Amino acid sequence: QVQLQESGPGLVKPSETLSLTCRVSGGSVKTVTNYWSWIRQSPGKGLQWIGYIYYSGSTNYNPSLKSRVTISVDTSKNHFSLKLSSVTAADTAVYYCARVNTTMAANWFDPWGQGTLVTVSS
Amino acid sequence: DIQMTQSPSSLSASVGDRVTITCRASQSIISFLNWYQQKPGKAPKVLIFAASSLQSGVPARFSGSGSGTDFTLTISSLQPEDSATYYCQQSYSTPPTFGQGTKVEIK
Repeated sequence: QVQLQESGPGLVKPSETLSLTCRVSGGSVKTVTNYWSWIRQSPGKGLQWIGYIYYSGSTNYNPSLKSRVTISVDTSKNHFSLKLSSVTAADTAVYYCARVNTTMAANWFDPWGQGTLVTVSS
Repeated sequence: DIQMTQSPSSLSASVGDRVTITCRASQSIISFLNWYQQKPGKAPKVLIFAASSLQSGVPARFSGSGSGTDFTLTISSLQPEDSATYYCQQSYSTPPTFGQGTKVEIK
């Protein structure tokens, strides 16, 4: 079955760029019915969708983060990545990657990676 | 953004009890509603998608219902392993949004 695994620095300085990668195993990112997403969870804001990417490179971002977010995909390495620029303490959260399953009548996040805690601090 | 409001925020129930969690959307989302279970230190796991479709492998004691703006997640007979936080999520429009969560504890 498909498994996702996040990786990247656990500590980022304020004003710098947060960079994470999600490795996909047990399946390919090049699937017609799936998108690939980033979601974060912090005590203050709960679960927040960051954005998603299709294997073709097409993206959709949360308007509240759009000016600072870039999601990319590397089909040769079967992974996708998140960059969040100009971070502040408010960006401290557990970051999850997840597959988006789509049908005509629904779309949902499954499976999820285990999550990685990113702390923004000097 | 569509706001999702869950109630209650927490509940405590005994093993074998029937438990119901409600989720209300700020506008109609038809049936584009999913339910997730999250245990401490773990990622959320989907239980129900499209309001009432049970995800493969999820015990049949979990069920979902509703359409439009009002939805419910029901656990027909609460088990000790159901102690967790439950979230609803709308997928009707971008950005997808989550409820604030309902923490279920076992008495």
